[in-house]
Amino acid sequence: AQKVTQAQTEISVVEKEDVTLDCVYETRDTTYYLFWYKQPPSGELVFLIRRNSFDEQNEISGRYSWNFQKSTSSFNFTITASQVVDSAVYFCALSLGDSSYKLIFGSGTRLLVRP
Amino acid sequence: ETGVTQSPTHLIKTRGQQVTLRCSSQSGHNTVSWYQQALGQGPQFIFQYYREEENGRGNFPPRFSGLQFPNYSSELNVNALELDDSALYLCACGEGAAKNIQYFGAGTRLSVL
Repeated sequence: AQKVTQAQTEISVVEKEDVTLDCVYETRDTTYYLFWYKQPPSGELVFLIRRNSFDEQNEISGRYSWNFQKSTSSFNFTITASQVVDSAVYFCALSLGDSSYKLIFGSGTRLLVRP
Repeated sequence: ETGVTQSPTHLIKTRGQQVTLRCSSQSGHNTVSWYQQALGQGPQFIFQYYREEENGRGNFPPRFSGLQFPNYSSELNVNALELDDSALYLCACGEGAAKNIQYFGAGTRLSVL
């Protein structure tokens, strides 16, 4: 079975703190893709990053960084020096193979950054 | 700004009624997928359309149906509405498989009373 688990339902931090959002996935496929999306109160899902299963290099984009570890089936997301504008619900998602047409989402982590 | 527009933004219906939700993409992406997001949960895949044909379907009953038009805009139709159909409905536009970046609209919030 394919599944994405985001065990942290809600996280609250004070501005400028670092915060890590956890994502654990399950699949037996060898080719798959992992995503992070941000959902602000407006509702639309904003794409943040995509990773394929053959690329375990960590990635940094400004204050955002991602740690992909196949050994633990995890794809964690860290925000450094958090800001109030980072407050949103964050979703981790999985798609299987090269021709799959659907994204499998986790249940999301609500991040609240307090001033 | 993803360039994906959904209408209406909010809708209230009563049980048993039918509803049509709409989605369009400024970029002309050739696939459109629909997702249902219940409160406090992640989006669940309903189906995808590619070149005006249903290309894949999630675990949703046949009363959920859709259309894709030649200009790649799309409709989601739900018949015989049930209370559990209350949710945010999101459409995602992209090119080909889900491994490619899918651009989401802001959704239609449907309330079934």
